[in-house]
Amino acid sequence: AQSVTQLDSQVPVFEEAPVELRCNYSSSVSVYLFWYVQYPNQGLQLLLKYLSGSTLVESINGFEAEFNKSQTSFHLRKPSVHISDTAEYFCAVSEMDGNKLVFGAGTILRVKS
Amino acid sequence: DAGVTQSPTHLIKTRGQHVTLRCSPISGHKSVSWYQQVLGQGPQFIFQYYEKEERGRGNFPDRFSARQFPNYSSELNVNALLLGDSALYLCASSFRWDRVSNEQFFGPGTRLTVL
Repeated sequence: AQSVTQLDSQVPVFEEAPVELRCNYSSSVSVYLFWYVQYPNQGLQLLLKYLSGSTLVESINGFEAEFNKSQTSFHLRKPSVHISDTAEYFCAVSEMDGNKLVFGAGTILRVKS
Repeated sequence: DAGVTQSPTHLIKTRGQHVTLRCSPISGHKSVSWYQQVLGQGPQFIFQYYEKEERGRGNFPDRFSARQFPNYSSELNVNALLLGDSALYLCASSFRWDRVSNEQFFGPGTRLTVL
């Protein structure tokens, strides 16, 4: 069985500051890793994913995450956040033979002006 | 193209009642999954269907059931509602169920409140 731990329930940050949202996972088998974003009153949207290859993956809106197998982590980072990045972010894992997702509890990113 | 649609948007029920939630997947997608998101927690997997067959079931009681229709839409049924069933119920669709490369696309959810 897999589990996901998001270490911070809320992260307040000023606009244009860097941010890191932490995610650690536990699994007895190899997994794939995902970050989803949920804006208020909306469903989940895939932000980025790691399936194989380069351990550093990027999204189109400036977020990046690095898969660290030895530390079983997949932290999400952005060098400069915008007000529009305010949302809840979920880290998730999936086994390699299916696409069922196991989610963490989420981290609310609050960007202040 | 329309995304995943869910109905109703909001629902209020009382304890002991029954509820049916509906989901229409993206055109061409044959797999539908259901997740429960309790306030303050991440989504939890309930069921996955592909080609009308159940392909996965999470750790939920038998009060929860689902089915998929020939047009690939799906219903989630919950009997004998409890206060703890209050949550946002998310539906996700994907082309297939057996490969992680098949991205899941989520609908906006149905907010169920049990009084």
